[in-house]
Amino acid sequence: DAGVTQSPTHLIKTRGQQVTLRCSPKSGHDTVSWYQQALGQGPQFIFQYYEEEERQRGNFPDRFSGHQFPNYSSELNVNALLLGDSALYLCASSQRQSLLRVANVLTFGAGSRLTVL
Amino acid sequence: QKEVEQDPGPLSVPEGAIVSLNCTYSNSAFQYFMWYRQYSRKGPELLMYTYSSGNKEDGRFTAQVDKSSKYISLFIRDSQPSDSATYLCAMRRGSGAGSYQLTFGKGTKLSVIP
Repeated sequence: DAGVTQSPTHLIKTRGQQVTLRCSPKSGHDTVSWYQQALGQGPQFIFQYYEEEERQRGNFPDRFSGHQFPNYSSELNVNALLLGDSALYLCASSQRQSLLRVANVLTFGAGSRLTVL
Repeated sequence: QKEVEQDPGPLSVPEGAIVSLNCTYSNSAFQYFMWYRQYSRKGPELLMYTYSSGNKEDGRFTAQVDKSSKYISLFIRDSQPSDSATYLCAMRRGSGAGSYQLTFGKGTKLSVIP
């Protein structure tokens, strides 16, 4: 089982640029969530996708957008990058049914580390 | 005040010690409580979860939730060098808006010295 895979692993951008991060969920999972983890902080929820629609959104500006594809994979797009966007971006997948029944059993990927200069 | 408070440490203990990690929270709507372990350059992995108040044990790990005090704990018995990692508490609502998003603490960095 490959688990959750994310790409790229590391990337460096400059202020004002745009970035796209990609995520393939664990086999059998249909829901994808994205989290931002700044250095020395816990992950912060950005949004969640299910059935190709954004279902919930955290306190992030519209510069952060996403997409989910029919094969359940997902992309996170960030426009007009700011220095403060430098962070580890984590993708987490889960089964929708498990979310309804039990605790939010998320499987996280290793993340994409974004540095904005 | 942040919704979830966690002492970031760092915490350094000798091998074999009992480790106590804890978080406090302010949102009484939280119903599910989790502990994640995050090794350097890795994503968080779920260690334990509990629903509402009570204790849960899994091997060397025990999770406790006291909803009346809004306080959760994770105990690690017979700590090993391989337990050296950052431990994140996380919680979520039981239902309604925001019920599928996790709110994390800052994480506590633990080092177990051989």
